Amino acid sequence: NAGVTQTPKFRVLKTGQSMTLLCAQDMNHEYMYWYRQDPGMGLRLIHYSVGEGTTAKGEVPDGYNVSRLKKQNFLLGLESAAPSQTSVYFCASRGTGIGNQPQHFGDGTRLSIL
Amino acid sequence: AQSVTQLGSHVSVSEGALVLLRCNYSSSVPPYLFWYVQYPNQGLQLLLKYTTGATLVKGINGFEAEFKKSETSFHLTKPSAHMSDAAEYFCAVSGGVYNQGGKLIFGQGTELSVKP
Repeated sequence: NAGVTQTPKFRVLKTGQSMTLLCAQDMNHEYMYWYRQDPGMGLRLIHYSVGEGTTAKGEVPDGYNVSRLKKQNFLLGLESAAPSQTSVYFCASRGTGIGNQPQHFGDGTRLSIL
Repeated sequence: AQSVTQLGSHVSVSEGALVLLRCNYSSSVPPYLFWYVQYPNQGLQLLLKYTTGATLVKGINGFEAEFKKSETSFHLTKPSAHMSDAAEYFCAVSGGVYNQGGKLIFGQGTELSVKP
């Protein structure tokens, strides 16, 4: 059981380049999330999705776009990468049900923007 | 609005000593509380989650957390630290799925070091 899988694991980009981070989950979860982790700041929500075909902005959405065309996949795009987007990106998913259902995390994508 | 504060960005204990990691939260709705652990270059793994009505919650690897509503705290403890406990620990709060899809608000994390 793979859980939440993120690709790629590492990437170095130049300023202005674009790329897409892929998240796939095999748990049939409705909810999916993209977070970024920066030193001393914990994780902050970028965008989230409450089901196939839906997306919504989180705390720090500027410079990112997302799509959820299939229930199992959640894509995060950077149209024009900036050095401030250097971070570790985590995808998570969650099932429906009572409020204390936990989120399941992938292993992260380490992204450097030069 | 919800927020989480973890007191102490770094905590160091000796092997066999008590581990205490502090977490205080603020929430305008009944909170759903979680502790996650992150080992180097890995994702976050659930340690434990708060269950409504409980005051002491048991998790994996011998960790437990005490919920104190009056103090808005959810501190994490382990009676005896092991070298393998060295990691970063995150406290998180959620307002439930009707609050921005159940997003988690994280504290800034506490790095636990265990000395031999």
